[in-house]
Amino acid sequence: DAGVTQSPTHLIKTRGQQVTLRCSPKSGHDTVSWYQQALGQGPQFIFQYYEEEERQRGNFPDRFSGHQFPNYSSELNVNALLLGDSALYLCASSLLTSGAVSVYFGPGTRLLVL
Amino acid sequence: AQSVTQLGSHVSVSEGALVLLRCNYSSSVPPYLFWYVQYPNQGLQLLLKYTSAATLVKGINGFEAEFKKSETSFHLTKPSAHMSDAAEYFCAVSDRIYNQGGKLIFGQGTELSVKP
Repeated sequence: DAGVTQSPTHLIKTRGQQVTLRCSPKSGHDTVSWYQQALGQGPQFIFQYYEEEERQRGNFPDRFSGHQFPNYSSELNVNALLLGDSALYLCASSLLTSGAVSVYFGPGTRLLVL
Repeated sequence: AQSVTQLGSHVSVSEGALVLLRCNYSSSVPPYLFWYVQYPNQGLQLLLKYTSAATLVKGINGFEAEFKKSETSFHLTKPSAHMSDAAEYFCAVSDRIYNQGGKLIFGQGTELSVKP
């Protein structure tokens, strides 16, 4: 059973560009969340998707947007990249109907903005 | 608002010694608490979780944590450190069961070094 997968593993962009990161949740999981982890910091919650809708959002600007597809996979889009957007972006999945289940994280996408 | 404070950004122990990583939380509602481990260039792996059942929680790799409401603490311990335990450890709190819409609030992390 594959766990949470993310692509690409690494990405280099320049300021002002746009980027799309992708996540496939663990098999059977229907809820996907995205986190940003800056170097030396703990992960920060960006937003969560369930049934193709954004259910909860953290303190991130509108430049950060997302999408969830019918197969539960998800994308994170960041527009007008800033140097400060350089970070490890983590995707996490869980299953809504299973109560207090564990949250599974993917390996992350490391984004460098030059 | 919820928050997590991890005391000590770096902890160093000798192989075979006790590991103690400290975590204090702030929450206006009964919390759910988690410990995650992150190895270099990898994602987060769940070590253990507290969701209002037993206050002493046992996790993987010999780790355990005790929820103490009076002290608002959830410290992580392991009786005997192994070289493979060297990693970054994160404590996290959630105000609801995660997949009911709650989000995880993480601490800043504690880097554990294990000396031979």
